[in-house]
Amino acid sequence: DVKVTQSSRYLVKRTGEKVFLECVQDMDHENMFWYRQDPGLGLRLIYFSYDVKMKEKGDIPEGYSVSREKKERFSLILESASTNQTSMYLCASSFTSGYINTEAFFGQGTRLTVV
Amino acid sequence: GDSVTQMEGPVTLSEEAFLTINCTYTATGYPSLFWYVQYPGEGLQLLLKATKADDKGSNKGFEATYRKETTSFHLEKGSVQVSDSAVYFCALSDPGNQFYFGTGTSLTVIP
Repeated sequence: DVKVTQSSRYLVKRTGEKVFLECVQDMDHENMFWYRQDPGLGLRLIYFSYDVKMKEKGDIPEGYSVSREKKERFSLILESASTNQTSMYLCASSFTSGYINTEAFFGQGTRLTVV
Repeated sequence: GDSVTQMEGPVTLSEEAFLTINCTYTATGYPSLFWYVQYPGEGLQLLLKATKADDKGSNKGFEATYRKETTSFHLEKGSVQVSDSAVYFCALSDPGNQFYFGTGTSLTVIP
């Protein structure tokens, strides 16, 4: 069974803390994504990566950075957490076969609260 | 750019009613199309997909047909159950490896 695993289901952090959200996939996928999900706004892409050490900004990268040192692991970093970063964070992975992108496989999500 | 527009919710139906959730897309190339489902507190799960025009995706009684002429991928189910209550997302992927999601439609099925 394919798996995308996020390190925490729930996280509470203080304003100004540096926060690490970890995501691991066991499917040898080259593409990995970080989204945030907020009511009424759907999923918004923060960053994505199509290869080790490669990263591309998504729609809302401000206040975030990412790291992909190994193919299976994609980390999202909140450099200095703020209350407006309270949200559900979703990690996903996919692979590309020819010109077709397979479906995205999602982790269970991390609900982050910044206080 | 590419985008997905889906029906606003919330939708409330009685058990055994017919379900349609509309989804239309804008894409410059030939995208793959998906429907995902999200249960409370969980990530998104793939419900069904279609990779080319006229393909029909189906799973668990849900169906959707890739219509290139109307740029649509509407989700249907003939008889919904209480267990179908969830949020449904329409999505597309383009050859640039990105995914585009609709804003989601919340479905509640009452007994």
